[in-house]
Amino acid sequence: DSGVTQTPKHLITATGQRVTLRCSPRSGDLSVYWYQQSLDQGLQFLIQYYNGEERAKGNILERFSAQQFPDLHSELNLSSLELGDSALYFCASSVSDSREQYFGPGTRLTVT
Amino acid sequence: AQTVTQSQPEMSVQEAETVTLSCTYDTSESDYYLFWYKQPPSRQMILVIRQEAYKQQNATENRFSVNFQKAAKSFSLKISDSQLGDAAMYFCAYRNVYLTQGGSEKLVFGKGTKLTVNP
Repeated sequence: DSGVTQTPKHLITATGQRVTLRCSPRSGDLSVYWYQQSLDQGLQFLIQYYNGEERAKGNILERFSAQQFPDLHSELNLSSLELGDSALYFCASSVSDSREQYFGPGTRLTVT
Repeated sequence: AQTVTQSQPEMSVQEAETVTLSCTYDTSESDYYLFWYKQPPSRQMILVIRQEAYKQQNATENRFSVNFQKAAKSFSLKISDSQLGDAAMYFCAYRNVYLTQGGSEKLVFGKGTKLTVNP
């Protein structure tokens, strides 16, 4: 158990819908990262937050957004969902200057 | 931009034998971190081993060790005394050290190598 929690574990929804994925980092970790794992794109970095502020953006679509709250948990919002958004979404956390990122169990999103 | 390449989509090994997974990367930076992550069928991403580029000594964690060749930009993972529980996808990953290096501490992953352990 990495100490990073993600909810829900599985999510099935229809095209055009909006979903919210939630992540709670390890105790004391200020940085949260979101990654998407799909069959065709592999593991790709989406976005990073540090202590409530956006720090870096990767290949994140405009239909996706995220935020980190004062209690340091983070949410990834996916809207106008398309079939191609079906993937495993990971959250990872680290202390500010740590070398390691610890991953949560992931949320498997299926868009039908 | 940094890239990571794993040229072996699949590998197999007999239980108790040794196997080496290959990884090459491309970067213009002199200081960085390299990692191997394991993803078993449960899909959990598990950190296996870490290497700092400034360290010449190869990292070792129990049965797992790396061969880090900085000049060749090569970072292979050796698994000794393979066990059935080692069967998984293995991902090589790169990370910048400083925010000035691309402005992020994101991990850049290779496509992965699927390791099968035969009894």
